[in-house]
Amino acid sequence: EVQLVESGGGLVLPGGSLRLSCVVSGFTFTDYWMHWVRQPSGKGLVWLSRMGRDDGSASYADSVEGRFTISRDNAKNTLYLQMNNLRADDTAIYYCARDLRPGTGSYLSSWGQGTLVTVSS
Amino acid sequence: QSALTQPRSVSGSPGQSVTISCTGTSSDVGAYNYVSWYQQHPGKAPKLLISDVTQRPSGVPDRFSASKSGNTASLTISGLQAEDEADYYCCSYAGRSHVFGTGTEVTVL
Repeated sequence: EVQLVESGGGLVLPGGSLRLSCVVSGFTFTDYWMHWVRQPSGKGLVWLSRMGRDDGSASYADSVEGRFTISRDNAKNTLYLQMNNLRADDTAIYYCARDLRPGTGSYLSSWGQGTLVTVSS
Repeated sequence: QSALTQPRSVSGSPGQSVTISCTGTSSDVGAYNYVSWYQQHPGKAPKLLISDVTQRPSGVPDRFSASKSGNTASLTISGLQAEDEADYYCCSYAGRSHVFGTGTEVTVL
């Protein structure tokens, strides 16, 4: 069974940093592109970032490029999202998701349960 | 990277059909055949309903269908059922990034 479990969310001060983790199981992690998506409370989904097997494949939404960094530890089956210089409008549930097919980065077929990030003083 | 435009809400009676539009630009929906649709029930993670503009992943009922013309994609739910009441989001590849739609709330009357 494919499973994705996010962690690392919490309350952080504006300007602060947080690193989210997404531990996966039930599939060969290195075969799949992975994504991060967020959803502010009561609002819509926002795609943030994706990466393939290695760092060279990473891409970002304009709204987070330069502040957020996606990475993965293939030995630990873990995806990360390093978030720096956080702002109040970064407050949201953050989801990690696996792509539908090996080797492609187009569709988010398996999702974690999400982790809540709150940016507030 | 502006969000794709969807109607805020649509509604229909059980058994009826509803269609949700998703309007983008020539840089996203119009440029690539990488359009997908997601269903999200309250408090749950989204679920992939449609990939590759028109393809249903395994397990998705065939009452969900989709299409694309120019810069606009569409999702049709035929034979509406109570469990289809949820939020629906389109998503398109936009050249090294992806963009979601604004979301549509489907209400089953």
